[in-house]
Amino acid sequence: DAKTTQPPSMDCAEGRAANLPCNHSTISGNEYVYWYRQIHSQGPQYIIHGLKNNETNEMASLIITEDRKSSTLILPHATLRDTAVYYCIVGSGYALNFGKGTSLLVTP
Amino acid sequence: AAGVIQSPRHLIKEKRETATLKCYPIPRHDTVYWYQQGPGQDPQFLISFYEKMQSDKGSIPDRFSAQQFSDYHSELNMSSLELGDSALYFCASSLRGAGNTIYFGEGSWLTVV
Repeated sequence: DAKTTQPPSMDCAEGRAANLPCNHSTISGNEYVYWYRQIHSQGPQYIIHGLKNNETNEMASLIITEDRKSSTLILPHATLRDTAVYYCIVGSGYALNFGKGTSLLVTP
Repeated sequence: AAGVIQSPRHLIKEKRETATLKCYPIPRHDTVYWYQQGPGQDPQFLISFYEKMQSDKGSIPDRFSAQQFSDYHSELNMSSLELGDSALYFCASSLRGAGNTIYFGEGSWLTVV
């Protein structure tokens, strides 16, 4: 699976949009970009995934660059409950390998 | 909607003992995955099963084994437990196929004393 690079930490004010970047320059054509988050010691929670088109669901939006070498997860109106570690994972939908993730802190 | 169910949620064992964790996937999911997350670490993939056959193998120690049964539930067996095996163990499930979503359970806490 392709490797991903994420900033180790980010802050975001409550109510503002949180934009979490991810680089995956070695992604191959059949690999998807998945985003999960983990709130302290709970099970990883699925957020969204996509192959090449931008995706949106009730939780977030995923913007994938045209060359697919990077993506951005957007939480449109961050709340305190969005404080978590966010993992960007590239894979084919089989076993997903977690990297280091971004620790997002949403502040009042 | 039904989620991935893991049991027990908490388990305390002594060194050199054996532990068994159980996982019940989301109904109709045919693939089960096991992950280990040590203190302060990220989840590490151990092993997966598809239709009761081992599918992928990650960093699972030789002391650990797992299987998937005919009702698709899975068990992770850990023998000769070591202090370093203390971790949160996650099970996840999905329908087999590229681009399908993998859903995780809430995990089983194993403490080895």
